Amino acid sequence: QVQLVQSGAEVKKPGASVKVSCKASGYTFTSYDINWVRQATGQGLEWMGWMNPNSGNTGYAQKFQGRVTMTRNTSISTAYMELSSLRSEDTAVYYCARGRGDMDVWGKGTTVTVSS
Amino acid sequence: EIVMTQSPATLSVSPGERATLSCRASQSVSSNLAWYQQKPGQAPRLLIYGASTRATGIPARFSGSGSGTEFTLTISSLQSEDFAVYYCQQYNNWPKTFGQGTKLEIK
Repeated sequence: QVQLVQSGAEVKKPGASVKVSCKASGYTFTSYDINWVRQATGQGLEWMGWMNPNSGNTGYAQKFQGRVTMTRNTSISTAYMELSSLRSEDTAVYYCARGRGDMDVWGKGTTVTVSS
Repeated sequence: EIVMTQSPATLSVSPGERATLSCRASQSVSSNLAWYQQKPGQAPRLLIYGASTRATGIPARFSGSGSGTEFTLTISSLQSEDFAVYYCQQYNNWPKTFGQGTKLEIK
């Protein structure tokens, strides 16, 4: 079945970077955009950006410009989101989700905790 | 960026009754509006896209309407599994933006 499987939870210190992976299966990876959305505990959903796995083109929300990088490895149908210069406010669940407009398939989320 | 405003923040409804959730955009998003359901500890699930088209496998009791700046999600007869948080999201303009969510709770 169509699914996105994300990497496991991470604990990082302030100032460090984190790289989360999202492995696609059950469909052609290069045919659908991958988005990254995060959610702090008890808060709403925040869209971070998107990547076209075919071209590698990306677009990032202004808030994350300069700190986020979205990449992919088409040979293993995997997308990556790297967030640098982490601060405590980046503690959240990070989701990958498939889709150009609406997002119809979501990973289960990766918890990233930033703590000294 | 387009601001999406959902109301009410919390809606208390009894099982079997109808629930009506609202979403307003700060400028027109045409019909490029999606609704998601999120239960505790789970990822969001797509319910509606294109403002009114149910996603695959979504029961007919869920319906969406509206265009431009005003949108509504209606759940015709609430089941126990429908109590959750609901988000609207526009994808007409970049960046994509979500509403702050409506929590649907059991009355």
